[in-house]
Amino acid sequence: GEDVEQSLFLSVREGDSSVINCTYTDSSSTYLYWYKQEPGAGLQLLTYIFSNMDMKQDQRLTVLLNKKDKHLSLRIADTQTGDSAIYFCAEIALSNDYKLSFGAGTTVTVRA
Amino acid sequence: GAVVSQHPSRVICKSGTSVKIECRSLDFQATTMFWYRQFPKQSLMLMATSNEGSKATYEQGVEKDKFLINHASLTLSTLTVTSAHPEDSSFYICSALKRTGGNTEAFFGQGTRLTVV
Repeated sequence: GEDVEQSLFLSVREGDSSVINCTYTDSSSTYLYWYKQEPGAGLQLLTYIFSNMDMKQDQRLTVLLNKKDKHLSLRIADTQTGDSAIYFCAEIALSNDYKLSFGAGTTVTVRA
Repeated sequence: GAVVSQHPSRVICKSGTSVKIECRSLDFQATTMFWYRQFPKQSLMLMATSNEGSKATYEQGVEKDKFLINHASLTLSTLTVTSAHPEDSSFYICSALKRTGGNTEAFFGQGTRLTVV
């Protein structure tokens, strides 16, 4: 995870929007992913974006990619209690033989 | 999305015994699978890359004789923890790469919680 960095914690009120930020260093990144992990469970792929895209929207999820700054964000609209989880940013880079590099994960807590 | 099944989800074993964990891609073929280890409240650490029909590539610091990986078919990779010790207790997660045309997606199993007593 040292090539992919995320803030560790985010607290958000139910109904508000959550924004989780991620930065990466490898300019040869091809795909960038967001995964959700609930307690004791595996990883669930939420969405991904190809490196030649700026934005991708999927229902309540919006991914923004600033390739120049190597910055990725995930916005969750109308955050619900079921959105409480750890969110991992990950990249696949050609220079790394397509291995996934993960950030440390952002723990999102939704409060009523 | 695609489905990756990992089995067992939980296992408790005695020190000194071996444990096998299976990772299956149910609805796609995966020439490449990865094995990760996750310590409590930490991110995933890549252990090895499993390629169908060839030897696994291990990350630095991962003992290949302790963590045996076999990728005998396009839908199955296994991780065997040999002579398990309590410090091997961890959450192990596999992922499989699905390549469709120009797209590459990584899907994960549900993970295996290994406890060595």
